[in-house]
Amino acid sequence: EVQLVESGGGSVRPGRSLRLSCTASGFTFADYVLTWVRQTPGKGLQWVGFIRPIAYGGTTEYAASVKGRFTISRDDSKGIAFLQMNSLKTEDTALYYCTRTYGVNSPFESWGQGTLVTVSS
Amino acid sequence: SFVLTQPPSVSVAPGKTARVTCGGNDIGIKSVHWYQQKAGQAPVVVISYDTDRPSGMSERFSGSNSGNTATLTISRVEAGDEADYYCQVWDSSSDHPVFGGGTKLTVL
Repeated sequence: EVQLVESGGGSVRPGRSLRLSCTASGFTFADYVLTWVRQTPGKGLQWVGFIRPIAYGGTTEYAASVKGRFTISRDDSKGIAFLQMNSLKTEDTALYYCTRTYGVNSPFESWGQGTLVTVSS
Repeated sequence: SFVLTQPPSVSVAPGKTARVTCGGNDIGIKSVHWYQQKAGQAPVVVISYDTDRPSGMSERFSGSNSGNTATLTISRVEAGDEADYYCQVWDSSSDHPVFGGGTKLTVL
């Protein structure tokens, strides 16, 4: 069974940092693009960024709203993806989901249950 | 960047057909994926590549895509279909994914 489990969420002050983890199981982790999507309470889905498989360079892409502040990485040996969030803003408050896809034009097949990040003074 | 437009809400009586639209410039040449998100749960794919149903997904869910509009159709609507529905494509100019704003389906 495919599983994605996010962790690391919590409450932080603006300007601080937080690192989220996405622990995967039940599939060949290295073959997939790992994507972070966030959802503000009561609002829609917003793509945050993704990391390609190492076989495709392990390169990353980010939404304009987080570029330069957020960094995605992966450890294929452990089946974990990370989202390092620096210089957090109140507008980064959201439920953060980890999801997998084969790549461009493919759907986000499986999702975790999300981890909540609250940025507040 | 590519913009997807969905109606904020759709209401339908049980047993009737619900149609959720997703508008975008020449969206017909893109692959559209649809997600269902029930209250307090993570999204789930209900239709991929415009018309494909994932294994186990009810045949009551179907999709179409042409011109500037993609449509998710839910036949014989049940109370359990009440959820938010999101369309999604990949923006070919950036290779970034784009989500529609979501449509809340209410079963009357």
